Amino acid sequence: DIQLTQSPSSLSASVGDRVTVTCRAGQSISRYLNWYQQKPGKAPKLVIYTASSLQSGVPSRFSGSGSGTDFTLTINTLQPEDFGTYYCQQSYTARLSFGGGTKVEIK
Amino acid sequence: EVQLGQSGTEVKKPGATVKLSCKVSGYTFTDSYIHWVRQAPGKGLEWMGLVEPEDGKVTYAQNFEGRFTITADMSTDTAYMELSSLRSDDTAIYFCATIHDSHNYWGQGTLVTVSS
Repeated sequence: DIQLTQSPSSLSASVGDRVTVTCRAGQSISRYLNWYQQKPGKAPKLVIYTASSLQSGVPSRFSGSGSGTDFTLTINTLQPEDFGTYYCQQSYTARLSFGGGTKVEIK
Repeated sequence: EVQLGQSGTEVKKPGATVKLSCKVSGYTFTDSYIHWVRQAPGKGLEWMGLVEPEDGKVTYAQNFEGRFTITADMSTDTAYMELSSLRSDDTAIYFCATIHDSHNYWGQGTLVTVSS
């Protein structure tokens, strides 16, 4: 199975900050990498798919980049509603896997 | 509108069996795999396995082979996850989802609590 390692595991940032989360895959996964936002008690919500495509309805302050083994999720101009835990997930193989998560807190 | 509707909260004793359901609507059931994902309290997302509704073929994650059985019923557009010999560490929210690029939809999750 493909391992995904996210960093940091948590961060605290202020409204208006730029936030970056990274995800490293244990092998090349081309661009088959999705990013989710999850809030307590809710199902994950897709934010970015295939590394850099913005899911419909998601604010343009979210962006993704990367290919191969190294990927980045960026939130420009952090907003209060952006708190939650962010997960990366690979779909290079049908046997999916998720990163360990990054908890984003608002200062 | 695509929806994945999951069955309700379950409370079971250790050693029991539970069967969770995931009813799909709003797209053709056989067009996409159904995945099952577990989230233990305060923990991350863990992929359990998938079913290909068209032919019922199932793939399990290594950690979920043995006590877990995934099935699909094309007549009712419903996927199932059966968990047997329940243990306290099976206490979690279980999500079903269809995940293919932007076609990405999740059920609301089913909480399973295992306690004596």
